[in-house]
Amino acid sequence: DSGVTQTPKHLITATGQRVTLRCSPRSGDLSVYWYQQSLDQGLQFLIHYYNGEERAKGNILERFSAQQFPDLHSELNLSSLELGDSALYFCASSSEVLAGVDTQYFGPGTRLTVL
Amino acid sequence: AQKVTQAQTEISVVEKEDVTLDCVYETRDTTYYLFWYKQPPSGELVFLIRRNSFDEQNEISGRYSWNFQKSTSSFNFTITASQVVDSAVYFCALSGMNTGFQKLVFGTGTRLLVSP
Repeated sequence: DSGVTQTPKHLITATGQRVTLRCSPRSGDLSVYWYQQSLDQGLQFLIHYYNGEERAKGNILERFSAQQFPDLHSELNLSSLELGDSALYFCASSSEVLAGVDTQYFGPGTRLTVL
Repeated sequence: AQKVTQAQTEISVVEKEDVTLDCVYETRDTTYYLFWYKQPPSGELVFLIRRNSFDEQNEISGRYSWNFQKSTSSFNFTITASQVVDSAVYFCALSGMNTGFQKLVFGTGTRLLVSP
């Protein structure tokens, strides 16, 4: 158990809908990262937050947005869902961003199925 | 640009065999980190090891060992005396200074099947 929690574990929804994925980082970790794992794209970095502020963006669609709250939990919002958004969404956390790299520990993931 | 190549899509071995998973990376960064993660059938990503670009010492942890060679841009992973529980997808990943070490670039993974 990495100490990173994600809810829900599974999510089934329809095209055009909006969903929110939630992540709680390991105790003490200030950084939260979101990744998408799909069959065609593999594991792709989406976005990074550090202590409530967005720090880096990857291949994140405009229909997707994220935020990190004062208690450090993070939410990834996916809207106007398409079939191609079906994927496993991972959250990861690490303790340090300014002092160089720190290991990212991953949560169990949320499997999103868009029908 | 950063890139990680795991050319072996799937490897099948019989229990107790040794197996090596290959990882080749590309980066222009002089400072970078390499990682291996394991994704068992249950789906979570489990951290195995981190290596920085200045430390080329090989590492051994139980049945696992890693060979980092900057000259060939490779960071290979060997499992000795494989077990059924080693069956998983293994990902090699890279994090570099130019991206502020903030994102991991993953390879496509190698699926390891260990049969009894």
